[in-house]
Amino acid sequence: DVKVTQSSRYLVKRTGEKVFLECVQDMDHENMFWYRQDPGLGLRLIYFSYDVKMKEKGDIPEGYSVSREKKERFSLILESASTNQTSMYLCASSYQPLYEQYFGPGTRLTVT
Amino acid sequence: AQTVTQSQPEMSVQEAETVTLSCTYDTSESDYYLFWYKQPPSRQMILVIRQEAYKQQNATENRFSVNFQKAAKSFSLKISDSQLGDAAMYFCALRGSQGNLIFGKGTKLSVKP
Repeated sequence: DVKVTQSSRYLVKRTGEKVFLECVQDMDHENMFWYRQDPGLGLRLIYFSYDVKMKEKGDIPEGYSVSREKKERFSLILESASTNQTSMYLCASSYQPLYEQYFGPGTRLTVT
Repeated sequence: AQTVTQSQPEMSVQEAETVTLSCTYDTSESDYYLFWYKQPPSRQMILVIRQEAYKQQNATENRFSVNFQKAAKSFSLKISDSQLGDAAMYFCALRGSQGNLIFGKGTKLSVKP
């Protein structure tokens, strides 16, 4: 079975802190994605990556950056956390764009 | 722009009965994929069913089936013989032109015993 893991289930950070959310997949998938999930808004794409060291902006990249130094790991970075970044963050991976995406358990981030 | 619309924020069904969740979408692409994902409370998002646009036959996975109306850009999910474990948020999604998923806002399904 494909396994996508995220470093934390729950995270509390202060405004202005630099925050790292880590995602690791164990199936040698080419594609990895970061989504943000908010009630009533569904999931929105923040960034995605097709390969190591490649990244593409999604629909809401402002305030975020990403890093993909190794194929299995895709990190989401909040350079200076703000309260409007309080949300559930979901990581996903897929073998190819046409294939289904497998999701991690999510990280619920609270910024105070 | 590609969009996905789920017009039912919440639905309720009696155990063992059938329920249909609605989804409409918009895309200018001729070849695309549609998905239904399920997110149980505090649990991981999992794929329920997928449909390739070029296939006329509606996809089926056990108790889950879709009604894919390409001309109407409609993609509804039917759950037969509903079970308590079917209670979850259901998201309709369209594969975007860059391989990402475009999600609807979700439908919260409750199952009454």
